Amino acid sequence: AQSVTQPDIHITVSEGASLELRCNYSYGATPYLFWYVQSPGQGLQLLLKYFSGDTLVQGIKGFEAEFKRSQSSFNLRKPSVHWSDAAEYFCAVGGREYGNKLVFGAGTILRVKS
Amino acid sequence: EAQVTQNPRYLITVTGKKLTVTCSQNMNHEYMSWYRQDPGLGLRQIYYSMNVEVTDKGDVPEGYKVSRKEKRNFPLILESPSPNQTSLYFCASSKIDRGHQPQHFGDGTRLSIL
Repeated sequence: AQSVTQPDIHITVSEGASLELRCNYSYGATPYLFWYVQSPGQGLQLLLKYFSGDTLVQGIKGFEAEFKRSQSSFNLRKPSVHWSDAAEYFCAVGGREYGNKLVFGAGTILRVKS
Repeated sequence: EAQVTQNPRYLITVTGKKLTVTCSQNMNHEYMSWYRQDPGLGLRQIYYSMNVEVTDKGDVPEGYKVSRKEKRNFPLILESPSPNQTSLYFCASSKIDRGHQPQHFGDGTRLSIL
């Protein structure tokens, strides 16, 4: 079955520390990959996306993600976390093999401690 | 301002009482979709629509109906709501491009079915 795995349900980092959120997808020769962020009481905001080309993509709010086909991964990174980054982050995969939909991971809740 | 608008934002109702959650987008997007979000499960697609009068089931369509009579509107109908439909619901829309991936989300509708 199609699946997206975010192995970390919760992550806590100190403000100013670096961050990496993990995402693995189950299959797809040409996946379209996304990271979304959800602040409490809000909808989902697109952070970045990968369709093709350079495997390191830059997004909003200082985030970046790297697509590694050999590992079926699309990990999200940020060099220095700010308290306002505390939110829930969702990885999602789409593309031809996934039909007309996005398949979402279960989400990772990020807590930032000062 | 480009946006997806859902109403109501919150609703508490009782089992069996028909309800409709409205969704409207002002971006002239062809593709619209409904998701439900449950803890630990991420977002799961309920129904989607590729264009006016074209709708199809997602992963969890049971107990829901949709219609797409106008391009901008995509209401979600619960004919006979049950407690297992208590959830947070999101509407999303996108242009038909790059695999029709939803990129604009509404702020969500929290439904409680007693």
